[in-house]
Amino acid sequence: QLVESGGTLVQPGGSLRLSCSASGVTIDSDFMTWVRQAPGKGLEWVSVLYRSGKTQYSDSVRGRFTVSRDNFETTLYLQMNSLRTDDTAMYYCVKSSGYGGSTFDNWGQGTLVTVSS
Amino acid sequence: QSVLTQPASVSGSPGQSITISCTGTRNDVGLYNLVSWYQQHPGKAPKLLLYEVTKRPSGVSSRFSGSKSGNTASLTISGLQSEDEADYYCCSFVGSSTSSFGGGTKLTVL
Repeated sequence: QLVESGGTLVQPGGSLRLSCSASGVTIDSDFMTWVRQAPGKGLEWVSVLYRSGKTQYSDSVRGRFTVSRDNFETTLYLQMNSLRTDDTAMYYCVKSSGYGGSTFDNWGQGTLVTVSS
Repeated sequence: QSVLTQPASVSGSPGQSITISCTGTRNDVGLYNLVSWYQQHPGKAPKLLLYEVTKRPSGVSSRFSGSKSGNTASLTISGLQSEDEADYYCCSFVGSSTSSFGGGTKLTVL
């Protein structure tokens, strides 16, 4: 089971770090992905971290967000900088598999990020 | 704006079958057999229903099936049940280590 934390209210331009820890599931999966969902909207792929350390980001967050994992491979992070109001969303941590991490197997319950002044 | 296009809503009566389409392009759905489908009930996290177009994870009912023709993938739910009422999302690998979701379809069981 994946458990996200760190979501809160933050002002535009601010920073926030989300965490994702695992219970019974390791973070050393071949792929770990962040997916977000704005209130009342659909799902949006945000970022992927490969086991090798390779990362990729959506155009909307590239250069502002950074995904990483701790050395013990127990926690996944999403560092979010220069936050904008359109970053407001529920952020899900997802254990992924398949080619390029394209199958999203196990989802956390999500953590809510609200960007507002 | 989603790369993949889904109908905003579909409906059906208990016991009937419904199909949800997911239309992309020759560069995503048409190129890769890496389409997956997710079910999301209100206030809950999404759940994987199908992956690689037609494959079902263990524990997912055989009432859910997938197919693909050209640039369009489809999810079919047979023998509709009240608990199938939810939002459904398709997703496709689009290259460069990225994936993209459809806009979602709200299924109403009449």
